[in-house]
Amino acid sequence: GAVVSQHPSWVICKSGTSVKIECRSLDFQATTMFWYRQFPKQSLMLMATSNEGSKATYEQGVEKDKFLINHASLTLSTLTVTSAHPEDSSFYICSANRAGYALGANVLTFGAGSRLTVL
Amino acid sequence: DAKTTQPTSMDCAEGRAANLPCNHSTISGNEYVYWYRQIHSQGPQYIIHGLKNNETNEMASLIITEDRKSSTLILPHATLRDTAVYYCIVRVNQAGTALIFGKGTTLSVSS
Repeated sequence: GAVVSQHPSWVICKSGTSVKIECRSLDFQATTMFWYRQFPKQSLMLMATSNEGSKATYEQGVEKDKFLINHASLTLSTLTVTSAHPEDSSFYICSANRAGYALGANVLTFGAGSRLTVL
Repeated sequence: DAKTTQPTSMDCAEGRAANLPCNHSTISGNEYVYWYRQIHSQGPQYIIHGLKNNETNEMASLIITEDRKSSTLILPHATLRDTAVYYCIVRVNQAGTALIFGKGTTLSVSS
């Protein structure tokens, strides 16, 4: 159980275009999902917290108008990189935990990641 | 800033136990110790977590010192597939709380 799926797993786009990445919890509902970014040879950096039915909370230094997050349902959050540039090329990873507070329910499950290359 | 300190890298022979240390001297009473690993170009994988008691599952064992200021992740019989970056993270066990990753330990298992 607790599977998180990301799509696409990799994408190449031209500079100036927008790219949407989907994150789905396949067998559980997630009121909260998290988006991370990882550059080569670096650790994961939290970008934003996505809350179902409300606005996302962005970490300091992350442009909310550039990285649009929508969490329209309990099983889907999307990250749209708008007007992508080569410096946005990175590995984007989402994670989610089950709704509820039971001890075992608060383990975050991660997607396999989406590798974005902007030409 | 990361709230944990881990060695940058470690080596382990295949079939031997891998013991990965983590210091978390400023851990709060309501924070758990979580361990995740990331194999190259994949998303992080949950391994184990605990509060103060030692824990064991099918993947690993977690030993937490009595004062909770440090812990050790033990992979009892390391295989080549255990080569990965291992992250030790302290976090309150509460829904809606993110994991903040440090630099982790790169474990290299060789034959």
